[in-house]
Amino acid sequence: AQKITQTQPGMFVQEKEAVTLDCTYDTSDQSYGLFWYKQPSSGEMIFLIYQGSYDEQNATEGRYSLNFQKARKSANLVISASQLGDSAMYFCAMREGRGAGSYQLTFGKGTKLSVIP
Amino acid sequence: GAGVSQSPRYKVAKRGQDVALRCDPISGHVSLFWYQQALGQGPEFLTYFQNEAQLDKSGLPSDRFFAERPEGSVSTLKIQRTQQEDSAVYLCASSFLLDWDSIQYFGAGTRLSVL
Repeated sequence: AQKITQTQPGMFVQEKEAVTLDCTYDTSDQSYGLFWYKQPSSGEMIFLIYQGSYDEQNATEGRYSLNFQKARKSANLVISASQLGDSAMYFCAMREGRGAGSYQLTFGKGTKLSVIP
Repeated sequence: GAGVSQSPRYKVAKRGQDVALRCDPISGHVSLFWYQQALGQGPEFLTYFQNEAQLDKSGLPSDRFFAERPEGSVSTLKIQRTQQEDSAVYLCASSFLLDWDSIQYFGAGTRLSVL
């Protein structure tokens, strides 16, 4: 089974509008972390936002917020007031467990976001 | 430098050739990771280092792949006798600590094309 599922291969949003990118995850661990990265055409993966499994508040970073619904195992990224520079691939990722060797990230397949002027 | 630096940005290799990909992490970062990203996919873990120690190499796809970080800073990923299926973007990431919420910061990657 996929550990990270991003069901939207591509999304379009009008400039200045808000958009939600979906992410569901699968883990049996109680301790885990969820990350969102942006990958523009230049190739670099840019960290956007982090949510820990024990965090009670949804994470926010500027125009980015993470809608964390633990019972549903979802961690959707919300981008408010979209800008043309937001056009990129967006990846959801998870880090599981706290034991040794558990520091790698598992990524979804990504969502390509296109912002329309 | 301010970020993770990878070189070369692009590498074209003939099948059977050996290649070496370099990663220069953010200064002071203890942890270093290598990922492989196939076209249209998310990155997949290859290996990670804590300082000079390679603590996990479970993601390396074959014994043709080898990584080292001899002085705990710069790392090299070497692929011997390249095959067409090795064509991908190779991403390097570093983080300051191995704490639970340490953020991994990525370089721009090396795009390897094996002909």
